[in-house]
Parts: sequence; structure tokens; C-alpha cells
Amino acid sequence: DAGITQSPRYKITETGRQVTLMCHQTWSHSYMFWYRQDLGHGLRLIYYSAAADITDKGEVSDGYVVSRSKTENFPLTLESATRSQTSVYFCASSGKAGGIGELFFGEGSRLTVL
Amino acid sequence: QKEVEQNSGPLSVPEGAIASLNCTYSDRGSQSFFWYRQYSGKSPELIMSIYSNGDKEDGRFTAQLNKASQYVSLLIRDSQPSDSATYLCAVNVYGNNRLAFGKGNQVVVIP
Repeated sequence: DAGITQSPRYKITETGRQVTLMCHQTWSHSYMFWYRQDLGHGLRLIYYSAAADITDKGEVSDGYVVSRSKTENFPLTLESATRSQTSVYFCASSGKAGGIGELFFGEGSRLTVL
Repeated sequence: QKEVEQNSGPLSVPEGAIASLNCTYSDRGSQSFFWYRQYSGKSPELIMSIYSNGDKEDGRFTAQLNKASQYVSLLIRDSQPSDSATYLCAVNVYGNNRLAFGKGNQVVVIP
């Protein structure tokens, strides 16, 4: 089925471990985004990508790494997880030519760092 | 100053009433404005977009944009229990291909 999927949906890890959250979209959208959502902070942008091999930092990028070797995939890696990275992570994509318009969100990945 | 602000606390409205949500933004160059709805435990979904000053209506939803005053509002007419959700205001940051989101406003429609 077409859409945007995230995996894993739920993850528990320990401080210091590396974690990768996967995001895959089947629309061939140019733009992809990673947000985190925390109580009291709303959605905050971690990284975004305008096309394959083009990525830019968002407002809360410290401690995160992304790559985009293929248009359809946009994995997010926490190099050494910290408790402050416990959050719900949403991947999103947009296909509007000339810039972003409607964002389509994945179902979210709930990460707990112990 | 935050890029997008939604300052109102949770909003409780009786079924059938009008729910009114407001949002202000800081970047005068912003051109695109959106309202997303997010049910508890779910991902956000777009319900309205607006690009020009004035009102835009879509069913029971009306978005209002005033660029001079830098605010966007959302009206939900004839509120239904199914409208109970958090509503997120989002603004396309001028010169960047990204959206900035407000913290959201929770709406509770009381039957």
C-alpha cells in the first residue's frame, strides 16, 4: 500500500546505545522531515531533506544524524541515546513542487531511553 | 519570540457551538499557513490550508488569515464530539522549505 511508514513503532533502549528509526514513503515525495513531539513543546523539527543526498538541520538536531541515499528512505539515527531523547518521533513527507505544502505524517515511533 | 505561538489553554465547548482557535507567527515573509488536527495517540493530519488574507471555508471549518497582524485563526462550527482533538497551527518559514508548528490547542467538545 502507498503511504509513509515508520519502524519500529515502539522502542525501549538504554542510555548510550545507538538507535535508528526508519522512515519509508512510496509517493516519491521530494521532501522528508523528522519531528519530535514532547508535552509542552509541540512538534519540533530535527532534520529535513529536500531530495536525495540533501539534508538540513532543524531546530533540535544535536545528537541526531540522518542520511538520504534514496528518495524513499530517510532514517534517523541517535548516535548515543540520552534520556532527553525520550519522545515520539514523526516522519513526514511532502511532494509540493517549489516548496512544501501538505505534510503527510507517518504513525510515529515512540522511543523510551532508560 | 517563537516562530508560531498558540497560547490558549484547553478549550471546552458544548456540542453544536463554535470553537475558535488563534495562532500568531513572527516571520512577516511567511506565505503559507496550515491547520492540522491530531487525535490522541495519532499523527497530525491536515484539515485546512490558507495562503491569502481573508476567510477560507471548508465544510464546518473556516480559516482566517490576517498577514498585517500576523495571525491565523480556525473556527469550527457546529462542533461535534469527533472534533475533540489537538489542533496545530503551522507556518511555512519564509526562505526555508519547512513548516514551523505551534504547541497546539486541545479542544474538548462536550455532548
